[in-house]
Amino acid sequence: GDSVTQMEGPVTLSEEAFLTINCTYTATGYPSLFWYVQYPGEGLQLLLKATKADDKGSNKGFEATYRKETTSFHLEKGSVQVSDSAVYFCALSDRSNDYKLSFGAGTTVTVRA
Amino acid sequence: DTGVSQNPRHKITKRGQNVTFRCDPISEHNRLYWYRQTLGQGPEFLTYFQNEAQLEKSRLLSDRFSAERPKGSFSTLEIQRTEQGDSAMYLCASSWDRGSEKLFFGSGTQLSVL
Repeated sequence: GDSVTQMEGPVTLSEEAFLTINCTYTATGYPSLFWYVQYPGEGLQLLLKATKADDKGSNKGFEATYRKETTSFHLEKGSVQVSDSAVYFCALSDRSNDYKLSFGAGTTVTVRA
Repeated sequence: DTGVSQNPRHKITKRGQNVTFRCDPISEHNRLYWYRQTLGQGPEFLTYFQNEAQLEKSRLLSDRFSAERPKGSFSTLEIQRTEQGDSAMYLCASSWDRGSEKLFFGSGTQLSVL
């Protein structure tokens, strides 16, 4: 079945540091890939997405590129802020699974001032 | 558009009691999903609806769990004879149709079974 493996946390960074969260996936079909973010006390929000190989999703300074050859979708941000402190989830959906989302375990990121 | 609303936000119950959660999706969204999230894990799919029809139930959903969406609008998730292992955050999400990229999540109901 479909599955997502993401880098274990927690991750603690200083403001303006570079952030990378690794994500790899296993899917029977050709999935769409997502990053969701959960800020403290709030619901999950879609951060960015990519639907085909070599697509780059971007939002709020975050980027992730769909790499089919390495089955990866790593999340990056060049200069983090305290407000980026949250839990980040990599996820996929696949037509063969009627587009239901499968999530990774989440990575907690804390940015210190 | 007020977003996906879930009630209650928190529920504390004793083992063996029944609990019911409610989800109000974004108006006119056809699809409604229930997920469960335990500490340190990502959300796990439980069940989903297309309008009032329940399309699939995960193997995670034992016979003690039942979900309904009687008029294709709000949904309820009931857990009978709760167990400590049921303690988790229960998330609801809705979307227009199959496009998961347009999935909107509620803030969840945190269940604690004592």
